[in-house]
Amino acid sequence: EDKVVQSPLSLVVHEGDTVTLNCSYEVTNFRSLLWYKQEKKAPTFLFMLTSSGIEKKSGRLSSILDKKELFSILNITATQTGDSAVYLCAVEPINFNKFYFGSGTKLNVKP
Amino acid sequence: ETGVTQTPRHLVMGMTNKKSLKCEQHLGHNAMYWYKQSAKKPLELMFVYNFKEQTENNSVPSRFSPECPNSSHLFLHLHTLQPEDSALYLCASRGSANVLTFGAGSRLTVL
Repeated sequence: EDKVVQSPLSLVVHEGDTVTLNCSYEVTNFRSLLWYKQEKKAPTFLFMLTSSGIEKKSGRLSSILDKKELFSILNITATQTGDSAVYLCAVEPINFNKFYFGSGTKLNVKP
Repeated sequence: ETGVTQTPRHLVMGMTNKKSLKCEQHLGHNAMYWYKQSAKKPLELMFVYNFKEQTENNSVPSRFSPECPNSSHLFLHLHTLQPEDSALYLCASRGSANVLTFGAGSRLTVL
């Protein structure tokens, strides 16, 4: 059965710290992996990864995919209180038109 | 504003009530999704529609009845629900970029 596992489930850090969030997956015929940020509203899209070893970057956030080891990481440097949210990882198989989500990592950044 | 609008944002209903959730997207996407989000669980896919046709029903109980009259609108009709159906119901649409765009969700409480 296809599945997506995120770790840690929750994390508390202080402003300025760097965090690494993990997503491992077991999906038949992988097509893409997506990262989302969810505050108290709609999950918002961060990155889509399809190729191994190519880093996607946006400001203090970056992500990379390892298709051989079946995982991805999301890094956030110099964290701010506004980074506090649940970060969701989703994986899409080819030709299935659906996304499998992990349980999310709840990040709390303290001042 | 993501371009996907869900109403109502909050709904409280008794087990014998009939109510509906509405989703509208203004992005020109051709696929629409219903997901259920419960505390500490992964997002659960419920239904997928492509060009108004249902392409996925993830073994959802018949007390949930979807309707997709056109590519821009999606409904979830609810009747004789159970307290365990209380959750956040997220609608999403998908376009050619193969990324899900979510609405803010409808928070459902079943008494």
